[in-house]
Amino acid sequence: NAGVTQTPKFQVLKTGQSMTLQCAQDMNHNSMYWYRQDPGMGLRLIYYSASEGTTDKGEVPNGYNVSRLNKREFSLRLESAAPSQTSVYFCASSESSVEPQHFGDGTRLSIL
Amino acid sequence: GENVEQHPSTLSVQEGDSAVIKCTYSDSASNYFPWYKQELGKRPQLIIDIRSNVGEKKDQRIAVTLNKTAKHFSLHITETQPEDSAVYFCAPDFNQAGTALIFGKGTTLSVSS
Repeated sequence: NAGVTQTPKFQVLKTGQSMTLQCAQDMNHNSMYWYRQDPGMGLRLIYYSASEGTTDKGEVPNGYNVSRLNKREFSLRLESAAPSQTSVYFCASSESSVEPQHFGDGTRLSIL
Repeated sequence: GENVEQHPSTLSVQEGDSAVIKCTYSDSASNYFPWYKQELGKRPQLIIDIRSNVGEKKDQRIAVTLNKTAKHFSLHITETQPEDSAVYFCAPDFNQAGTALIFGKGTTLSVSS
């Protein structure tokens, strides 16, 4: 049972490049989330999807887009990467928004 | 927006001591109060959670207490061990357009033997 799988694990981009981070869960969860984690800032919610077919902005959505492709998959896209988006990105899923969240291993993204 | 504050930001204890981390939140509609543990370089993992109809919950050496009137909840770890060293996050739910968790900035707990 893989849980939440994120790809890639590491990525280096140049400013202005685009990239999609992939996330898939095999727990049949309804809700999925994207967070970024920066030193001293905790986990900040970028976007979330309470159920298949819906997406909502979190605290820091600017510069990102998401797609809930189906119940299993939730992708995060950076259209024009900026150095301020250098961070560790975590995907998570849960049965509902008030149930425990299960996290992937994260993607370390560096933008030069 | 929702304001979540954790105190202290760092905590150092000797093995066997108790540790307490407090989380204060602003949304009076919050009903779900989890705590997550993140070891260095790893993903966050839920260690305990509580809902608004319960005042306290225990799981072996870990407990969470909730004071909904004062809008704070606390993580209690007894008989600390070196493997308890990690960053701990509170994440109360926040209800606005939808419902999501808002994570505090974290408390770094160091347990020395």
